[in-house]
Order: sequence, then structure tokens, then C-alpha cells
Amino acid sequence: EPEVTQTPSHQVTQMGQEVILRCVPISNHLYFYWYRQILGQKVEFLVSFYNNEISEKSEIFDDQFSVERPDGSNFTLKIRSTKLEDSAMYFCASSRDRGFGEQYFGPGTRLTVT
Amino acid sequence: QKEVEQNSGPLSVPEGAIASLNCTYSDRGSQSFFWYRQYSGKSPELIMSIYSNGDKEDGRFTAQLNKASQYVSLLIRDSQPSDSATYLCAVNVQGAQKLVFGQGTRLTINP
Repeated sequence: EPEVTQTPSHQVTQMGQEVILRCVPISNHLYFYWYRQILGQKVEFLVSFYNNEISEKSEIFDDQFSVERPDGSNFTLKIRSTKLEDSAMYFCASSRDRGFGEQYFGPGTRLTVT
Repeated sequence: QKEVEQNSGPLSVPEGAIASLNCTYSDRGSQSFFWYRQYSGKSPELIMSIYSNGDKEDGRFTAQLNKASQYVSLLIRDSQPSDSATYLCAVNVQGAQKLVFGQGTRLTINP
């Protein structure tokens, strides 16, 4: 069964450093998302992406964040200058259908900022 | 603020019994509703989706939606210890390209 994959599974970085989190969505899906979950808290939406454009973003997704689909399979989230409060699990998701369709989540990247 | 509310639990149910999980949402324009299961340290796993009023059954799981009451529930029949997890209710609001999640209900099935 097709699944979303993410790399790395765990990333440790120092405050102020740039990180890139990578995702390979399910191959026939057209809509891509990033969510994050701080330990013990809700899953929070960051950004949605379709047709090489951001469809929607949350207030969390400020100028320090960017997304890119550099090729036909990868979808990346870049954090330019990490802060301690960026420490969280970051989940990539993809769906075949617009907005209201089922979203399938990858295994996540645990980002630890020290 | 569009919100999704769940009782955080923990909800403790004996093995073999029915577990009932509830969720309310604030945006009347919400179009689609999902239940995810999340084991500790893992990612959300989609177990049910429901789009129209009424019941939807899939194996031991039944999702129920009542848009008038802005209420969605998940029933798990013949609960197994492997069902012990946090269950997340997620809602797609009208016109939005995102899911809004509740805080999750922690379910424990006791052998």
C-alpha cells in the first residue's frame, strides 16, 4: 500500500541553524501539507500546497518557513533560522482530493533545537 | 476561532466492550470529518472518514455524524488492547485547505 515517507526521522540542530525536512507524498496525490505537533499538544496545520503554490498557511508559518517541490516526488519544509520553540514532530501529509479529501500522514520528523 | 473539542480522557474500557469517543466542532460550514488513531510517538493514522449525516461502518468501527448538533462520534466494538491509543478528531472547514484537530482522547482498553 502506498505511503508517505519522511526523512530524517530525527534531526537535532542548534538554534539559528537552517533545517530542511523532506517528504515523499503518495505518488498519485496532488495536495500536500505540513503539520506539526509539539509534545503533548494538538496537531497544528502549517501549510498546504498544490500545483507548485501555497494554497493556505497558518500564522505559525511565518517568513522563517518555506516549502518547495524541487522535483516530481519530493516535498520539503525549510526552517531558515531555527528557534527553541520549533522543537516538535513535523508531519507531512498528502491527499488525492482537494481540502475535504482524506489526508494520509507520514511517520514524522522529530526536530530538536538546542 | 474554528475549534474542535474532545474530552482528553483517559477513557478506560474493558476488553470486548464498546468504546465511545465524542467530538464537537464550532464551524457549521465544516464539510468533512475524520478520525485518526495515534500511538505514542507515532503519526496520525486515518481510520474513518464521514461526510454526511448518519452512520458509517467499517469493520469494528462506526462513525456517526450529526451536523445539526455539530457532533461526530466514533464507536469501537469488541475493543482490543491494541486499540489503546489517542484518537484524534479532525475537521475540514468549508473552503479551507487544512484539517483542524481536536486535542485527542486517550483510550485504554483493559484486558
